[in-house]
Order: sequence, then C-alpha cells, then structure tokens
Amino acid sequence: DARVTQTPRHKVTEMGQEVTMRCQPILGHNTVFWYRQTMMQGLELLAYFRNRAPLDDSGMPKDRFSAEMPDATLATLKIQPSEPRDSAVYFCASGFGTAYEQYFGPGTRLTVT
Amino acid sequence: RKEVEQDPGPFNVPEGATVAFNCTYSNSASQSFFWYRQDCRKEPKLLMSVYSSGNEDGRFTAQLNRASQYISLLIRDSKLSDSATYLCVVIKGGADGLTFGKGTHLIIQP
Repeated sequence: DARVTQTPRHKVTEMGQEVTMRCQPILGHNTVFWYRQTMMQGLELLAYFRNRAPLDDSGMPKDRFSAEMPDATLATLKIQPSEPRDSAVYFCASGFGTAYEQYFGPGTRLTVT
Repeated sequence: RKEVEQDPGPFNVPEGATVAFNCTYSNSASQSFFWYRQDCRKEPKLLMSVYSSGNEDGRFTAQLNRASQYISLLIRDSKLSDSATYLCVVIKGGADGLTFGKGTHLIIQP
C-alpha cells in the first residue's frame, strides 16, 4: 500500500529556530504539493513541483520559507527563522500528471513557541 | 468573497438519515471539483470527483451546478463512520493546486 511519508510527525521549536520538514512522495508520482492547515485559514497551497521543477510557490511567504526537491524521492520545506504564526499542520501530497487525484501524507504538526 | 465557501456546521444527524450540504465557488473558470474527507487529526482523502452530469458512489451522490456555481454532496443511510469533515475542493483552469473550502463538520449520532 503506497503512501506519502512525512517526517517529523511532530515538531516543537522556539521562535527564531530553523525548521525542516521532509516528504517522500509515492514512488512514480511526479507532482508534489505542500499545504498548510490552520483552524483560521483551513488548508492552503504553499507550493508545488512537477518533475522536481518548482511550478508555483505563490502561496508561500518567500522571506522565510523555501521548498526544494533535491531528488525525485525527497521534497523539503524549510522555515528560517520560524515564528509562532507558522504553527500549523503541514501536509505534503503527491500525484501523477495533472494530479487531479492527490494523496496526502500524515502531516507534520509544527508548534513554534 | 472567498474562493470556496462551505457551511462549517456541525451537522448533527441521526444514523440512517440522509444529509446534504453544498459548497459555493467564486471563480467561474474553475474546471474540476472534488469532495475530500478528513477525519480528526488525519490527512484529507479523496472521497469522490464531481462531474457535470452528477455522479454516485454507493451512498454518496455529488452534483455540480455550474450556472449557480455550487457543488453538493448527498449521503444516504448515514453511518456512524461517516462522521468527519467534508472538504469541498476546486481546481481552477490551468492550475494544479487544489483550493479547499474550510470544510463541513458532520456528526452522525447513534
């Protein structure tokens, strides 16, 4: 049963620290998405890649967030420096082609104090 | 106006009843529509796509009304296991990322 995996599942850090979240998409999927979910805003698309190339990161605060795909099996989302307002659940999802069907990972629950 | 709007609920429904909820979208260029389901503290999972002609999957029926820019989800013979948050999802033409509504919380009561 192929699944998207994300690490860490939980992260508590202090304001100003760097946070790196990792995602392993389903093998064979060529499109990877990063979403953030909060009670106030719901689920928001931050960025996505196709064939490892960034296609859209307009939803991501550029000054502190960065997303990369160093290889086809790993996507990373980095926050530096982190702020309390970044506290949320960060989901990675993968799909194939136009990615109309996306498979979500279990999420990373981030708390910034 | 938000891109995708849903009544947050909660909808409290007795087991066995039929429940329906709608979702409105603001961008008339939206091309693809879905319902996702999210259980508490879990990831969203695709429930069903929504086609212009309407579609049914077991106890679930989805409809699209392009003229009025809304989609609907009907659940018949509801089960306790249907309790979840149902997320309306829209893809704009030319885009890949999903635009989510904030979800409708459904509670099926025994």
